[in-house]
Formats: sequence, C-alpha cells, structure tokens
Amino acid sequence: AQTVTQSQPEMSVQEAETVTLSCTYDTSENNYYLFWYKQPPSRQMILVIRQEAYKQQNATENRFSVNFQKAAKSFSLKISDSQLGDTAMYFCAFATSGGGADGLTFGKGTHLIIQP
Amino acid sequence: EADIYQTPRYLVIGTGKKITLECSQTMGHDKMYWYQQDPGMELHLIHYSYGVNSTEKGDLSSESTVSRIRTEHFPLTLESARPSHTSQYLCASRPGSSGNTIYFGEGSWLTVV
Repeated sequence: AQTVTQSQPEMSVQEAETVTLSCTYDTSENNYYLFWYKQPPSRQMILVIRQEAYKQQNATENRFSVNFQKAAKSFSLKISDSQLGDTAMYFCAFATSGGGADGLTFGKGTHLIIQP
Repeated sequence: EADIYQTPRYLVIGTGKKITLECSQTMGHDKMYWYQQDPGMELHLIHYSYGVNSTEKGDLSSESTVSRIRTEHFPLTLESARPSHTSQYLCASRPGSSGNTIYFGEGSWLTVV
C-alpha cells in the first residue's frame, strides 16, 4: 500500500514570498503519478500540478514548480511570488500508473496562509 | 474546468432520513469515486467504480451505497442518516485509459441533526 506524508500541517508566509511545501511518499511501484491539489476555502479541489514518475524533468506550471526526487521519494511544491489567492489547503497525492481504480492516496494536507 | 457536478451542495437533514447525493460528469470518464472529508482533514476513499454496473468499496468503511447504471451518473445513498455521517462528500472521475488526473466536483456538505 502507498502512503503519503505531509509534515507541515500549517504554513504562513507574506505575499510575494516563495514558499515550499514538503511531501514524501512510500511505494514499491516504479511507475506512478504524483499530484498537488489545492482546496481553497470554497472547498473545490483543483489540480495544481502533476508529475509522471518516469520523467526526470520537474514539472512547472507558471508560479508553481515541483522538486521531484525519485530516489528519496520526495515531491515538494514551490510557489513563487505567492498571492493572497494561494491561501488554501494543499494536498499531495499519489496514483498508480495504468490499471486499478482505487483513485488517489492523499496526504493529510498543509494549510497555507498568505499574509498581506 | 472539469465538467463534474454534485447536488445538493449543502443539506441539513434529520436523523433516520434517507438521502441521495447526486454526481454527474459529462467527460465520458469510466472511473468514478466518492471521497469523504471532514473539515480540515484528509480525503478518504469510500466508493469507486470502474464503469457501468461496477461498484467497489474504498479504504474507509462507509454505511452508504452507490450505483452506476449510466457512465455519467454515480449517486451515493444513505438509507438512514446519522449525525456521524455529517461530513463533506466529494465526487471525482478520471479517464479509464491514458492520463491519471482525477477531476473533482464541488462537494456536497451534509449535516445530520
């Protein structure tokens, strides 16, 4: 079974700062996907960024980037130039590749607060 | 934006009532999921479906039931609601083949009094 660990229950930074959210996972799989999801106070879960384990290049989406260290089983999210709208719960998640319908395994989440 | 819809968004019902939470997606996804999430907590998978006429229980035991008669529709039913069922229920779907991104609905907040 896979596990996902987010060791930071809450983080708070000033607007425009850069913040990094940590995530580690445990799996015996070699091919898998990793995700960061954002859940704003309105509660809809939104995909932030996605990484395929077989790709060495770190995924980037505008101000969001990841540091994927496969050997260390680490998948941190960096948010640059943070904005007030980035305030949300952030969940790291894992999915096996291909077959199976058991969805995502989520971490417990990190509550990120961007201060004005 | 993902085309996955949940109704009702918010509901307060009395103990012992039967309730069905609706979920529909227009993306033609084979796989659909129900997650339960208490405020500020992680998500727990309670049901999933591979496709039509397929339903499976997830990691977290739940007294709810689901059905999948049509690809686009995956309702969740509680036959007799209890206060312990108070939670948010998130429906999600993903393509059955390539791509493993899961898309979520806006959630249904259920309060049982």
